[in-house]
Formats: sequence, structure tokens, C-alpha cells
Amino acid sequence: EVQLLESGGGLVQPGGSLRLSCAASGFTFSSYAMTWVRQAPGKGLYWVSAISVGGFTYYADSVKGRFTISRDNSKNTLYLQMNSLRVEDTAVYYCVKDFRYGSGWGQGTLVTVSS
Amino acid sequence: QSALTQPASVSGSPGQSITLSCTGTSSDVDGFNYVSWYQQHPGKAPKMMIYDVSNRPSGISDRFSGSKSGNTASLTISGLQAEDEADYYCSSYTSSSTRVFGTGTKVTVL
Repeated sequence: EVQLLESGGGLVQPGGSLRLSCAASGFTFSSYAMTWVRQAPGKGLYWVSAISVGGFTYYADSVKGRFTISRDNSKNTLYLQMNSLRVEDTAVYYCVKDFRYGSGWGQGTLVTVSS
Repeated sequence: QSALTQPASVSGSPGQSITLSCTGTSSDVDGFNYVSWYQQHPGKAPKMMIYDVSNRPSGISDRFSGSKSGNTASLTISGLQAEDEADYYCSSYTSSSTRVFGTGTKVTVL
């Protein structure tokens, strides 16, 4: 069974940094592209970033230059380093396996950016 | 990366069929056959209902079907049931090698 467990969320001040982790199990992590999707409170879904099997990275314009996606296949873990955080980055952040086929979503971790 | 356009709400009675639309551009919906649809119940993670325009993942009811014409994709829910009441989002691959979601549609079963 695919399991994705996000962690690292919390309260941070504007301009601060946070690193999210997504621990994967139940599948061969290194064989799948991984994605981060976020959802602001009461709002819609927003695609944030993705990383391919080969390590190629992709970002939404609003986070480019501020966020960095990475993966550690030896630890079966996906990361999202978030710098220069803004109030509008406040959201639940979901980790997604193999986005094209929607084969697994985590339950999300809440990031709150507020002074 | 503007969001795809979806109607804010659609409603129907049990047993009826409803169709949700998702309008994009030549850089996303019209340019690729990589449109997907998600169902999200309150407080839950999204669940994929359709991928690659018209394919259903394993375990998804055949009451859900997808199609596309030009820059508009559609999700049809047949035989509407109370459990179908949820938010629905479309998503498309883009010419920037990213993905974009729709604005979301709230489905109400009357």
C-alpha cells in the first residue's frame, strides 16, 4: 500500500524558511516522479513543484527562485525547501506520487506564514 | 500559469447526469491530452477520477467519464448520487512542462 507522510509544517514569520519532508513507503520511490501541491485555507488546489526520476525539477512561477524540490532515494524521502516565505504561501502542502496517474497523495502538512 | 476556468457550482438531482467544464488555452488543455480530474471531499486529500482526458483509474466508477474538445475539457457524472457531492478540480499539463489546476467546481446533489 502506498503511504506518503508529510512533515515539517508549522508557523513561520514572513521572510522565514521551512523544509517539508515526505516519507514514502509501499512502492519503489526511486522509480517515480514526485510532486508538491498546495491548498490555501478554503481555496483551490495549486501545483507547486515536481521532480523527475532523473532529478529534473520544475516549479510554478510564484515559487521559482524561492522553493527547491529535492529527493533522497536512499531515504525514500521527498523534500521542499521553502525560503523567503510570504503570507500567500500559507496552505496545506500535499506530496503526490506519479502525478499523471494520481497514484497516491499524502494527507498534507499545514504551513502558516504570519507575523 | 493562469488557472483553468471552471464554473463555481453545478447541481443536480439524484439519478441525473451533470457535466462540469474546464476551459484552458492552446498552451495547456488544447495542446496536450494530459487533462485529469480530481474529487475532493471536505477535509480530505483529492482523489483522481480521470487521467489523460478520458481514462479512469482502477476502482473509479464508470459513472464518471471525461472528454475534451479544443481548449475545453469536460467531466460527466451519470446517475448522480449523494456521495458525489464534493469539490471537483481539473488539471492540465502545460507547455512549460508544469501543471495547472482549474478554479474548482462545487457539486451539489439536490
